[in-house]
Formats: sequence, C-alpha cells, structure tokens
Amino acid sequence: RKEVEQDPGPFNVPEGATVAFNCTYSNSASQSFFWYRQDCRKEPKLLMSVYSSGNEDGRFTAQLNRASQYISLLIRDSKLSDSATYLCVVLTDSWGKLQFGAGTQVVVTP
Amino acid sequence: GAVVSQHPSWVICKSGTSVKIECRSLDFQATTMFWYRQFPKQSLMLMATSNEGSKATYEQGVEKDKFLINHASLTLSTLTVTSAHPEDSSFYICSARDMGLAGGYEQFFGPGTRLTVL
Repeated sequence: RKEVEQDPGPFNVPEGATVAFNCTYSNSASQSFFWYRQDCRKEPKLLMSVYSSGNEDGRFTAQLNRASQYISLLIRDSKLSDSATYLCVVLTDSWGKLQFGAGTQVVVTP
Repeated sequence: GAVVSQHPSWVICKSGTSVKIECRSLDFQATTMFWYRQFPKQSLMLMATSNEGSKATYEQGVEKDKFLINHASLTLSTLTVTSAHPEDSSFYICSARDMGLAGGYEQFFGPGTRLTVL
C-alpha cells in the first residue's frame, strides 16, 4: 500500500463550479500535511498547509480527518488557472522529509 | 514565499559524462535541502536529504556514489550525476526548508533541472 494515495483524475470541472478530492495516508502518526500544486513541467508550489482540523484560503479549503486518515481539498468558483495537478504531501519525520502522492489532475473548462 | 533557484534549468549530455546541478536558497538560510527526481506522470521521489556541513542521507535504492551531494554552505547544495546514462534522464528538483518560518516544515522548491542523457 502506498503511503500517500490520491485519485489521479482527471477531474474535468466547468469554470465556476466546485470540485473536491481526497487523499489518504497510511501513517497514523503523521502530524503535518500540505497541498502543493504542480503545473506541467514545473516545480511544485505550496498551496496550503494543513496543521489542524482544516483551514481556508480564499477559494480553497483543506480539511483533515485524522480518524479516517484523509485530507481533502475543495476548490470553489473554479478558474481556468486552477487547472493543474494537486499534490497531497505528508510530513514523515522531524527533519522535514516529505512523502508525496502521485497527484490529482484538475482540468477547468470554459 | 522563500525563493529557491536551480541551475541549469535543462541540460543535455552524452552517456558517461557527469552533470552538476546547483540548488540555492536566495533569501533565507537552509540547513537542510532535499533532492527529488520525477519521471513523467509520476510522483516526486525523494533521493536524498542534504545537510549543511555533513554527509547526505540517501533514500533506499539511491546510489550515493552515483549521485554525489555536497552542501557546503547554508545557501548552496549541489547534486552531481556521475557517469550519466539514458535511464538517469529525469526532472531533478531540489527543495529547502526556511527554518525562520513559524512551523518550519514548508518546503520551497527550485524550478527543477531537466536532464536528458543521450
């Protein structure tokens, strides 16, 4: 079983709609979680950190469910520029080592 | 956010040659940097953790003699792919932690280096 699992998608989303997707992690001791976005042939960019039960940043909402060991990302009022691959990332040790999911592709269409 | 640069952004080399990739934190100090590799349509795979002033820690399956890492200062880590072969062709990305940030676990990524070995 992979340490971090994501639905690869793609999620095809009409512009202005809402999309949500989950990520599951296997290590129940994990404490810190992140969502990164990665555009094609580019480096990952930090979207949100998820330190507690969840947080919101503009149109983006991340939630953490420790009991079921998943985190979710919700994007409201989708923009064309939201088209990207969203990487679920879990902190695995105190040195800062991260475990990446394979990513969920989101395609926002006009 | 913090800025991390990488050089070169892309490189094409012949099989058997060595390639050095530099990773710099431009506006913060990074005692720890990380090197990843990403093949097409796959996730980032951590290759090694680079610690300033000490030896790097390599992940299982990564040959330390093939992928030489040097972290000589708080703002620079280098990865040298020695005797490169076509199967080493990949997207190499470094990241660094900004220890000055509250929490301190966010990593900021360099723009990556696309290596093609002919």
